[in-house]
Amino acid sequence: GENVEQHPSTLSVQEGDSAVIKCTYSDSASNYFPWYKQELGKGPQLIIDIRSNVGEKKDQRIAVTLNKTAKHFSLHITETQPEDSAVYFCAASNHGGSQGNLIFGKGTKLSVKP
Amino acid sequence: GAGVSQSPSNKVTEKGKDVELRCDPISGHTALYWYRQSLGQGLEFLIYFQGNSAPDKSGLPSDRFSAERTGGSVSTLTIQRTQQEDSAVYLCASSLRSGGGNIQYFGAGTRLSVL
Repeated sequence: GENVEQHPSTLSVQEGDSAVIKCTYSDSASNYFPWYKQELGKGPQLIIDIRSNVGEKKDQRIAVTLNKTAKHFSLHITETQPEDSAVYFCAASNHGGSQGNLIFGKGTKLSVKP
Repeated sequence: GAGVSQSPSNKVTEKGKDVELRCDPISGHTALYWYRQSLGQGLEFLIYFQGNSAPDKSGLPSDRFSAERTGGSVSTLTIQRTQQEDSAVYLCASSLRSGGGNIQYFGAGTRLSVL
């Protein structure tokens, strides 16, 4: 089955700096890769996703890149702000599968220091 | 409602007791997923429903865990004879339909503590 590894587990940056979180996956059939942000006491919230027919996707200060050959994808946050502080999870699933359950990485706790 | 609703938000129980966790998905969403989040861990898939059917129950940790969904809407996750290792946050998500690539919207979760 699919296995998703996520690094680093914790990340501390200064406000205004960039943050990068990296994930690798094992199942070459996976082709949908969402990123979720989880704030304390809340459920995960989708912030961006990418499908395997696209190499990069950007939404304002957030971007995701995908390398299908190497089976890794990354989240990039530019001009970080204190409100970006949260736990971020990457996930993978098979777009063509009927089930659609997500396989998650273990999360990255991002701290943005003012 | 506007989002996925889960109740209770917190549940404290004694070892050996049964608990029921409820999930009310977004209206019109046919697919519903249960995940478990243990301290410092990612989300572990438990079970999903397409309509009222659960095609794959292999993610449930043991036969003490069961789930049902009625009317294609509300779902209940039941844990019988709870153990301390069942302590975790149980998250529910719904999507318009099952299958990869459909965005899953999560509730705030139920934090279960087994004493």
